[in-house]
Amino acid sequence: DGGITQSPKYLFRKEGQNVTLSCEQNLNHDAMYWYRQDPGQGLRLIYYSQIVNDFQKGDIAEGYSVSREKKESFPLTVTSAQKNPTAFYLCASSTAASGYTFGSGTRLTVV
Amino acid sequence: AQSVTQLDSQVPVFEEAPVELRCNYSSSVSVYLFWYVQYPNQGLQLLLKYLSGSTLVKGINGFEAEFNKSQTSFHLRKPSVHISDTAEYFCAVRSNDYKLSFGAGTTVTVRA
Repeated sequence: DGGITQSPKYLFRKEGQNVTLSCEQNLNHDAMYWYRQDPGQGLRLIYYSQIVNDFQKGDIAEGYSVSREKKESFPLTVTSAQKNPTAFYLCASSTAASGYTFGSGTRLTVV
Repeated sequence: AQSVTQLDSQVPVFEEAPVELRCNYSSSVSVYLFWYVQYPNQGLQLLLKYLSGSTLVKGINGFEAEFNKSQTSFHLRKPSVHISDTAEYFCAVRSNDYKLSFGAGTTVTVRA
């Protein structure tokens, strides 16, 4: 079955560390997105990519970086510059004609 | 720019009672609207979407929504809820570059 796979499901980060969250899709969707979810704030867009080798900042890109070397993959790196990284991170993909398909999320906790 | 306001942050409801979740949007361009449901520690699942055509949209799990252009609303309804409908619900609007903007969410708690 086609879908989006996010890994790991839970991730713990020490202060000052960079961590990378994986997102893979086999839906042949052109566009991919990363959202951050905090309680009571809905979903906020971090980065998005509409084609391979191109991506744009969303509303809260500071402290994050992405790459889009393959159509299927859109990894997110949470850098040490992100001062409050504890959150639930959701990856999604879409085509022009569809809504979004979401992955099951990664919960990142700073320890 | 698009924005979405979900008017209720928490909606408690008894099992088998009807429920309505309110959503208002602002958009300066063509409107594409969505409702998603999220169960604890999971991703979002599409309930229904309005792209064009009939203003009454039917979705999964017995949910439906009505697009009202004059009131800029897209309220979600279900005539009879089940315990399993306890979840968080998000309204979203899509821009011309396909980005989705989400409301803050409405938590529905169904009690027996």
